[in-house]
Amino acid sequence: SQKIEQNSEALNIQEGKTATLTCNYTNYSPAYLQWYRQDPGRGPVFLLLIRENEKEKRKERLKVTFDTTLKQSLFHITASQPADSATYLCALDGNTGKLIFGQGTTLQVKP
Amino acid sequence: DVKVTQSSRYLVKRTGEKVFLECVQDMDHENMFWYRQDPGLGLRLIYFSYDVKMKEKGDIPEGYSVSREKKERFSLILESASTNQTSMYLCASSTWRQGMEETQYFGPGTRLLVL
Repeated sequence: SQKIEQNSEALNIQEGKTATLTCNYTNYSPAYLQWYRQDPGRGPVFLLLIRENEKEKRKERLKVTFDTTLKQSLFHITASQPADSATYLCALDGNTGKLIFGQGTTLQVKP
Repeated sequence: DVKVTQSSRYLVKRTGEKVFLECVQDMDHENMFWYRQDPGLGLRLIYFSYDVKMKEKGDIPEGYSVSREKKERFSLILESASTNQTSMYLCASSTWRQGMEETQYFGPGTRLLVL
């Protein structure tokens, strides 16, 4: 069955460093992959989308890579700030109008 | 900006009560979704709808039903609330066509406690 895996352990980093979050998937070939941010007690908010034919996508301090051979996406936040602390979810397209979400990884940026 | 609103942020109900969660979106989106989110389990799809009066079961529809009488409104109904339905409920909407990319817009969530 289709499966998405994100590191369930929280990622703790120092302010100014680069945070790297991982999303692995199996038994699926998505046409695109998305990353969302979720703050405590709030709904997820869309950040970035990357298509299967794109290797890398950037938006300000965010960078996403997509390796369809490894079946993996990496999400990077450069020059991280305490305000970046949140849970980050990856999501794959289900090609049926549905997205399949990972469980999310919590990032804590310490000042 | 897309706006998705949910009728309540917090709700406390008793076991056996019928519970209605309302969701409204203002962007004329065709698709609407109901998820529940629990620690360690992530987002799980309960029901979704591609159009008015249409509904499809998601991964965990048992104990729930939905209603979509108008395009902008999607209601989740707990016919007889049980304690294991205590959760965070998230509504989302999107516009999607075959071959196009979909981005979902989420509401703020309703935290439901069933006693």
